[in-house]
This record gives sequence, C-alpha cells and structure tokens, in this order.
Amino acid sequence: DTGVSQDPRHKITKRGQNVTFRCDPISEHNRLYWYRQTLGQGPEFLTYFQNEAQLEKSRLLSDRFSAERPKGSFSTLEIQRTEQGDSAMYLCASSLDTLATQYFGPGTRLLVL
Amino acid sequence: AQSVTQLGSHVSVSEGALVLLRCNYSSSVPPYLFWYVQYPNQGLQLLLKYTSAATLVKGINGFEAEFKKSETSFHLTKPSAHMSDAAEYFCAVRRGRDDKIIFGKGTRLHILP
Repeated sequence: DTGVSQDPRHKITKRGQNVTFRCDPISEHNRLYWYRQTLGQGPEFLTYFQNEAQLEKSRLLSDRFSAERPKGSFSTLEIQRTEQGDSAMYLCASSLDTLATQYFGPGTRLLVL
Repeated sequence: AQSVTQLGSHVSVSEGALVLLRCNYSSSVPPYLFWYVQYPNQGLQLLLKYTSAATLVKGINGFEAEFKKSETSFHLTKPSAHMSDAAEYFCAVRRGRDDKIIFGKGTRLHILP
C-alpha cells in the first residue's frame, strides 16, 4: 500500500499563470477528494469524485478551478490565471467507498508571487 | 450546518504531562467526529473517529477521545505527552449522509522538555 501521492509537492508560480496538480489515490479507492488549506486554518472541502463522476463542488471552487478524474484513477486539479489568494496547501484524499475513512496525501504547496 | 470549534490555537504541555485538546461540535443530526494529526510538511493522518458506537474512542499513538452529547464535546486526551506528539491537531465533523468533512482551525501542540 503506497498511500495517496501528490505531485508536485511544491509549486511556485507567477500571478496569471496556470498550474496543474496531480493526485494518485490508493489503489481501488472509488472516492477522491480535494481540500485546500491556508495558513493557520483547517482544510476546506473543494470537490470530490465517485470514480470519474464529480459529485459535488464547493462554492470555493471558482470558475478558474477545474478538477478531473478521467479514468476513475488519478485526478488533476487545474487553476487558471492564478492569483495570490490561491496560495495554499492543496490536499488530496481517497476512500474506499461512501463514508469510509479518508486517507490524505502529503499535499501540494502552492505559492503565487 | 455542521461545524467544530477548537479551543486554543496553541497548547503547550511538558513531556510526560497530560495532553488535553478541546473540541466542541455543532450538528443537527448525530455526527461522525474525527481527530486528525498533521506533522510539518505532511498530509493529515487519522488519529481516531467516533461513529455512534462507544462514546470513548481509542486511537493510535495512545490518544483517545470521549463523545459527550450533553456538552457537544469531543475532547482529545493522552495521559503522557511525548516529544514526538508535537504537531497540529484537527477536530472534524461529517454528516452521516455525505462525505464532506468540516475541519476546525486546528490546535498546535508544543511539547516542553
């Protein structure tokens, strides 16, 4: 069991650039979640998938954000036209099924200059 | 709506002393409650969870938490602190019918030698 992995671990970008993060869930986990954690705060839910279907999106997920899970395995989170306020840790989690324990990856820390 | 409040953003205890991290929840339905730990530059690790079975829940690393409905509390305790317990701890709640987890703002635990 290799756990949830995320890539990259760190990303520094300039305001206005696009960035994409990848999450590889635990094998055979059907559910995949994205959270955002800003400094001094707890993680905030962004969106989640059941296999390839995106089931819920938070109001935090503006139209500059898009998430996909094309084959029901790995997922990508893209942020277009990044803003300084997007600087945060982006966490991915996966679970075997509905209401099962969510296992978190190490996160991708984004800094927008 | 579900929410959790963690009392104290920073808690310091001496090595070997009792650890008590406080969490109060708000929920209109029976909640699922969690404690997660986050070490520096890492993702979240589940310490323990309450799912309406026993009110005293034992977790990993010697931690336990007691669900008290009358007080709407789910405080985390450990009898004897160890230096390796220094980390950020998050209390969280999830409704029984969906997967979104709502996290508190976190409590950073400092262990004094």
